[in-house]
Amino acid sequence: GAVVSQHPSRVICKSGTSVKIECRSLDFQATTMFWYRQFPKKSLMLMATSNEGSKATYEQGVEKDKFLINHASLTLSTLTVTSAHPEDSSFYICSAPLAGGWEQFFGPGTRLTVL
Amino acid sequence: GENVEQHPSTLSVQEGDSAVIKCTYSDSASNYFPWYKQELGKRPQLIIDIRSNVGEKKDQRIAVTLNKTAKHFSLHITETQPEDSAVYFCAPGGGTASKLTFGTGTRLQVTL
Repeated sequence: GAVVSQHPSRVICKSGTSVKIECRSLDFQATTMFWYRQFPKKSLMLMATSNEGSKATYEQGVEKDKFLINHASLTLSTLTVTSAHPEDSSFYICSAPLAGGWEQFFGPGTRLTVL
Repeated sequence: GENVEQHPSTLSVQEGDSAVIKCTYSDSASNYFPWYKQELGKRPQLIIDIRSNVGEKKDQRIAVTLNKTAKHFSLHITETQPEDSAVYFCAPGGGTASKLTFGTGTRLQVTL
């Protein structure tokens, strides 16, 4: 099956610093990837759609200057949380579909804790 | 945007009983209807999905039924087992490589 990885799995940082999270499709190419955020005991909320070679599409209410997305290759999308604050502490998960496919494959998630 | 709700929000059943979770959505353009199981701290795991040209699909103890006219679809789990305990999400989407909108979630507890 299709495998998606994320790195790091956990990160703890100080308030005001920036954190980069990587999402990789290991055995397939992904022109589109999706980034979600999940707060404790809540649902997954779509943050943005990452498009290879073009700008990401952000959902309403998500600050594009705070959550920078780069999809520079067909197997890698990165999410950078800039000037992180405690309220950004969350579980960040990416997903990617196969080309022309319906099912999406999820990464294992990254738990971000901002002190 | 798409508004997706699930009912009930929590469900407790005895082992061996059946469980049914309903998902209602608002976007009539949705045509892909997956159900995910998520355990604490883990990624969502696809357990069954259905497309809009099909009304029902079954895979062993799990089934999904779709009523596109009424804009709802349901997850049916029969002969529940303790390992079925988890949070379940519906996540309707627009089709191939389209974004998914996750429902509010249902916490299923299967007791012995």
